[in-house]
Amino acid sequence: NAGVMQNPRHLVRRRGQEARLRCSPMKGHSHVYWYRQLPEEGLKFMVYLQKENIIDESGMPKERFSAEFPKEGPSILRIQQVVRGDSAAYFCASSPLPLVRDRKNTGKLFFGEGSRLTVL
Amino acid sequence: AQSVAQPEDQVNVAEGNPLTVKCTYSVSGNPYLFWYVQYPNRGLQFLLKYITGDNLVKGSYGFEAEFNKSQTSFHLKKPSALVSDSALYFCAVRALDYGGSQGNLIFGKGTKLSVKP
Repeated sequence: NAGVMQNPRHLVRRRGQEARLRCSPMKGHSHVYWYRQLPEEGLKFMVYLQKENIIDESGMPKERFSAEFPKEGPSILRIQQVVRGDSAAYFCASSPLPLVRDRKNTGKLFFGEGSRLTVL
Repeated sequence: AQSVAQPEDQVNVAEGNPLTVKCTYSVSGNPYLFWYVQYPNRGLQFLLKYITGDNLVKGSYGFEAEFNKSQTSFHLKKPSALVSDSALYFCAVRALDYGGSQGNLIFGKGTKLSVKP
């Protein structure tokens, strides 16, 4: 049973380019969460998606960042016109149910190994 | 607003000694509390959780955590540390709020645990 798969593991972009990060959740999981890890700042929630819907994007920067989780295929986190401050590790996590309804496993997110973005 | 504080950036312990990694939380309502571990260049792995019931929660790899409501703390402990326990440990909280929030986990900044032989 494959875990959460993220690719690419490492991505290098120059300022102004676009970065696309992909996340395939665990089999049977239809809820995806994106987190960003900056040095010395821990993990910051960015966005929560369910198939074809954005449920909570309260942690997403208002500009340049977008996320989607289409009916078919992986979830994608897209960063347009990257800047050096976007350099970070981006983690995707999945769960089989919304956390608010998952009484049995509530809060148990399954994380991918992350995509490390470096902006030159 | 929900928040989690991990007051120590780093904890150093000798192998075989007991370890404690501290966590305090702030949340309105009853909390769900979690510990996750991150090994170098890897994703986070679930260690244990507190939902309700016994204040002492046992988790993976011999770790346990004690929920203290009066002190709003959820410290991670292990009686005898191993070198292989060296990693980054994250405390996380979610409010039991079915009426509004989607209940996303709020993570602390992480504490680096270093166990020396």
